[in-house]
Amino acid sequence: LAKTTQPISMDSYEGQEVNITCSHNNIATNDYITWYQQFPSQGPRFIIQGYKTKVTNEVASLFIPADRKSSTLSLPRVSLSDTAVYYCLVGTNAGKSTFGDGTTLTVKP
Amino acid sequence: ETGVTQTPRHLVMGMTNKKSLKCEQHLGHNAMYWYKQSAKKPLELMFVYSLEERVENNSVPSRFSPECPNSSHLFLHLHTLQPEDSALYLCASSQDPSGSLSYEQYFGPGTRLTVT
Repeated sequence: LAKTTQPISMDSYEGQEVNITCSHNNIATNDYITWYQQFPSQGPRFIIQGYKTKVTNEVASLFIPADRKSSTLSLPRVSLSDTAVYYCLVGTNAGKSTFGDGTTLTVKP
Repeated sequence: ETGVTQTPRHLVMGMTNKKSLKCEQHLGHNAMYWYKQSAKKPLELMFVYSLEERVENNSVPSRFSPECPNSSHLFLHLHTLQPEDSALYLCASSQDPSGSLSYEQYFGPGTRLTVT
């Protein structure tokens, strides 16, 4: 089972870059790494997905080292509205994948 | 608006009641999922349906019974629940025909269930 470990919480200020790291030592060859964002009383929302190296979209970047045992979600210039819980998900097969505990990001003015 | 709707949004039920949660996706996806999210706990995958067939059941108690009559609708039938079953129940869908978690999932807003 691809278990993931993330920091429980992080604080940042508006305009800063935020990096959230997820450890997944047991990642399998076929596993993808996916990050979701969740606001209170809402379902999670897809942010970004990657397999190796670096992936970038309009909202975030995902950095994955060569050994793929960890990954880092990078949010450029955060705003107050980025305050949320961020989940790292590793896996392909539904029965062998799990969401991590999530990282609560608090962005302060 | 994610294209996945859930009803009701809030539900309070006694331990002897029978109720059902409904999920509908308007995205033309092949797979649908039920998750449970308790306070201060990570998302727990309960059931996965792919092309209307159940492909995963992560050891969920029999008091939870899923039903997927077609690729757009998913139900979770509840009976004789326990207070510890109180949680946010989330439905999701994806394009993945195998029902894996490697495709982007679109989540509904959830049903907040309270068992008294």
